[in-house]
Parts: sequence; structure tokens; C-alpha cells
Amino acid sequence: KNEVEQSPQNLTAQEGEFITINCSYSVGISALHWLQQHPGGGIVSLFMLSSGKKKHGRLIATINIQEKHSSLHITASHPRDSAVYICAADGRYSGGGADGLTFGKGTHLIIQP
Amino acid sequence: ETGVTQSPTHLIKTRGQQVTLRCSSQSGHNTVSWYQQALGQGPQFIFQYYREEENGRGNFPPRFSGLQFPNYSSELNVNALELDDSALYLCASSSGRGYEQYFGPGTRLTVT
Repeated sequence: KNEVEQSPQNLTAQEGEFITINCSYSVGISALHWLQQHPGGGIVSLFMLSSGKKKHGRLIATINIQEKHSSLHITASHPRDSAVYICAADGRYSGGGADGLTFGKGTHLIIQP
Repeated sequence: ETGVTQSPTHLIKTRGQQVTLRCSSQSGHNTVSWYQQALGQGPQFIFQYYREEENGRGNFPPRFSGLQFPNYSSELNVNALELDDSALYLCASSSGRGYEQYFGPGTRLTVT
């Protein structure tokens, strides 16, 4: 069973700061997801990546398969970026059925104006 | 293209009752996964359906059951509700196993 650890658990920063959230997992995966959850529950998929780096606007996600580690970066952070950011590992399909996503506990990010 | 929708939004049930939650997948998606998110925790995988067949299951008892219909909409049924079943229930659809998952807004279930 995959174990997914995120750090930090809580992060408060000033508007404009560069933000990094880290995620590590214990066993091989087919993909790593970064998700954003706002108060009220809705989850939005930010990235799904299996290697290298992806960029979308001010968000950048990287993954190092050998080290079993991924990072989510936010450049020029803004108060509207305040949310819970969750990484989730997608296990490999071995023919025995899906294991679903294994989620980290999330990083509560607050960006102050 | 419509997104993933869930109904109802909120639900209050009494311990011992049964509940059915519904999920309408994004157009063209044949795979749906259900997750339970307790307050302050990350979501936990309940099960996944692929083309109307259960394709994998997490560590949940048999009183959690599901269905996927030919139009790929889905139901989560929970029998003999317990207080610990109070949670946000999320469904996520994808265009296949191992593809990006698109989440619905969730159903918040309260068991009293």
C-alpha cells in the first residue's frame, strides 16, 4: 500500500511569495496528481504527471520518479490561491483491479494580502 | 461538455438507515471512482467502476456498494449507516483506468 506524505501541513505566506509544497510516496506509481480543494469541498485537478515537469499559468509541478518525490510551486502567489492542496498517487494497474488514488493529508495554504 | 455532477448536495440520515448517492459522469467518461473524505482528512478510495463492472475496492465493508449504469452514471449505496459514515462523498470520472480524474462537488452526508 502506498504511503503519501505532504509537507508542510500548513503554510501562511505574503502575497507575491514563491510557494513550494512537497509530496513523497513510498511505492512506484503510474501517475501523481495535484489537486486543489476549496472550503465547501469541491476538488479541482491541477496536474497529472508521470515524469518531468508541467506548467499551467503560475503553477508548476515537477516529479522525480527515482526519488519518489514531487513538488508543486506557485509563483507570484495571490490571496485567491488560498486553498488546500492535495497530492495523490495513482497506483499501477497490475490486472488485479484499481487501487484508486492514495491521497496525502493536504497542505492548507493561506496567502495574506 | 458538462462536468461531473452529484446529488444530493447535503443529506441528513439516522443511524441504521440506508442512503443512495448519485453521480453523473462527464460526457465520454466510462470510469468512475468514489471516495470518502472525513472532516480534516484526505479522501479515501471506496471503489471504482469501469464499464459497469467493479474494477477495484478500497478498505470499506460490504455495506458500501455501488452501481454503474449503461450511460456511465453511478450510485453509491450505504446500508446500516453508522455515525462514522458522516463525511463528504466524492465521485470522480475519467475516460479510462489510469487517466486524469475529474471530481464532482461532493455530497455531504451527516448521520445522527
